[in-house]
Amino acid sequence: AQKITQTQPGMFVQEKEAVTLDCTYDTSDPSYGLFWYKQPSSGEMIFLIYQGSYDQQNATEGRYSLNFQKARKSANLVISASQLGDSAMYFCAMRPYNQFYFGTGTSLTVIP
Amino acid sequence: GAGVSQSPSNKVTEKGKDVELRCDPISGHTALYWYRQSLGQGLEFLIYFQGNSAPDKSGLPSDRFSAERTGGSVSTLTIQRTQQEDSAVYLCASSFLTGGPSDTQYFGPGTRLTVL
Repeated sequence: AQKITQTQPGMFVQEKEAVTLDCTYDTSDPSYGLFWYKQPSSGEMIFLIYQGSYDQQNATEGRYSLNFQKARKSANLVISASQLGDSAMYFCAMRPYNQFYFGTGTSLTVIP
Repeated sequence: GAGVSQSPSNKVTEKGKDVELRCDPISGHTALYWYRQSLGQGLEFLIYFQGNSAPDKSGLPSDRFSAERTGGSVSTLTIQRTQQEDSAVYLCASSFLTGGPSDTQYFGPGTRLTVL
């Protein structure tokens, strides 16, 4: 069975600090993609970063990086130098084939 | 190019009425997905289309829900005899291909449905 787990319902971080949002997954498929999305209070889901299961290096996109540990089946999102605009819900997702599986999300609040 | 668009952005309806939600995907995207997000919850998969066909309808909550896609583009999600538990944000997403793990979904702004 495919499963995505985000164990942190809420997180707080001081502005300009780094924060790690946890995500673990379970799949028997050898090939899969891992994604992170941001959902601000406006409601739109914004794609942040992608990691392929065969990628050797961790993905990075600006201030976002994905800490991929395949053996542990974890795909944590690291946000460096947090900004007030980073306050939002963050969803981890996995795609083994045709369907996306989403975690329950982590609410991040950046404190000035 | 333009992103995924959805209409209406908000819909308030009375219990028992039918509603139709529309999604216009990114041009050239062959795959289209519908999700439902209840207040404070994660995303619940409803259905996806590959072209005009829907290989996976497993997520539709009941036979009151149906969806179609025409011309490999616009999709409509129809909810018949709406119930209060149908109140949620309905999100549509599209992607370029299906079957590839790297195929990224891009989401529309959603339709907020309120059933009174």
